[in-house]
Amino acid sequence: GAVVSQHPSWVICKSGTSVKIECRSLDFQATTMFWYRQFPKQSLMLMATSNEGSKATYEQGVEKDKFLINHASLTLSTLTVTSAHPEDSSFYICSARDPAGGDNQPQHFGDGTRLSIL
Amino acid sequence: GQNIDQPTEMTATEGAIVQINCTYQTSGFNGLFWYQQHAGEAPTFLSYNVLDGLEEKGRFSSFLSRSKGYSYLLLKELQMKDSASYLCAVLDSNYQLIWGAGTKLIIKP
Repeated sequence: GAVVSQHPSWVICKSGTSVKIECRSLDFQATTMFWYRQFPKQSLMLMATSNEGSKATYEQGVEKDKFLINHASLTLSTLTVTSAHPEDSSFYICSARDPAGGDNQPQHFGDGTRLSIL
Repeated sequence: GQNIDQPTEMTATEGAIVQINCTYQTSGFNGLFWYQQHAGEAPTFLSYNVLDGLEEKGRFSSFLSRSKGYSYLLLKELQMKDSASYLCAVLDSNYQLIWGAGTKLIIKP
């Protein structure tokens, strides 16, 4: 089945640091990947849709200069949280859909990255 | 607007059966997904329904009625490890996934 790998699992860093999170599709090529954020006891919130070879599509209210997305290859998307502050502390999760079989394929999720900004 | 409703929390007893409902109002419909999310972990895919009826997969079954904008996830022979949040999500006409807020299921011995 479709496997998505996300790295790192945990990040603890000082305020003002930029943090990069990687999302890889291991056994399929993903032209589109999705980045979510989830605060404790709240629902998944889609931040942006990452498109290979073009600009990401950001959801309303998400600052594109704050959350930089790069999708340079068919198997890798990265999310960089620039100049992170304590309010950016959250659980960040990526997902991807295997395009083989059509647009109704399920999204498969990475294990998530727990980001804590001190 | 687009809307997905599911109960916030449910409690059930180990060994019993529980049904988690989901109603939706979306612009178009290309299928409905159920995901399981344990606390502190990412969601995992459970089921997909695009046609009316019941899809059975082991202890879990998912039902869809497109005319009623309604689905349910049925969990049988509940085990303690089934304690998790269950997320309903609908693929709209643009193939965008619209997520419900999730139902937290608490299993008691």
